[in-house]
Amino acid sequence: KAGVTQTPRYLIKTRGQQVTLSCSPISGHRSVSWYQQTPGQGLQFLFEYFSETQRNKGNFPGRFSGRQFSNSRSEMNVSTLELGDSALYLCASSSRTGGSYTFGSGTRLTVV
Amino acid sequence: DQQVKQNSPSLSVQEGRISILNCDYTNSMFDYFLWYKKYPAEGPTFLISISSIKDKNEDGRFTVFLNKSAKHLSLHIVPSQPGDSAVYFCAASEETSGSRLTFGEGTQLTVNP
Repeated sequence: KAGVTQTPRYLIKTRGQQVTLSCSPISGHRSVSWYQQTPGQGLQFLFEYFSETQRNKGNFPGRFSGRQFSNSRSEMNVSTLELGDSALYLCASSSRTGGSYTFGSGTRLTVV
Repeated sequence: DQQVKQNSPSLSVQEGRISILNCDYTNSMFDYFLWYKKYPAEGPTFLISISSIKDKNEDGRFTVFLNKSAKHLSLHIVPSQPGDSAVYFCAASEETSGSRLTFGEGTQLTVNP
């Protein structure tokens, strides 16, 4: 079966702009989580959605937001981009909350 | 506050030998632990997990050991193969937080032919 699909793979944005990243989970998976990976901070949890509801949120500013649609696809949005937002953004899906997660290949965001 | 730590940023072993990757945690509420492998430009790939009610879980060449009293877990790979060369992350979660995984910083494993 198809894996977790993230689009786009690469993105370059200018400071102050906003960006929307997309994630299509494995078919049948209802839980989608987002992580940010940076060289200095490692992998950090952003938020999790399950059946269109945000169930968990990490310690990120309000500029980071997300949503999940009825087909379990998820988007995350970052507004007023800062240079420090440059990172690999990873989406992971699971058939249930908790347990092991399957990760996508990520979206590499560069803010200039 | 780094709740999950992998103190060795890198590890180099010979093909065929055992690789042992270590991970320590501080949060006693963690009750589920996972290991992921990551190649460059790819997302992490799930390897093996263990719940806090067990002290060992085995899957083929991979075995995870959990020492709850020491708040320590390790991943053993036997025998190591060159294709195992990757960054290995340990992660932990607590039942009440559901999906929230707390990751270690990762260990770069290099298996030399």
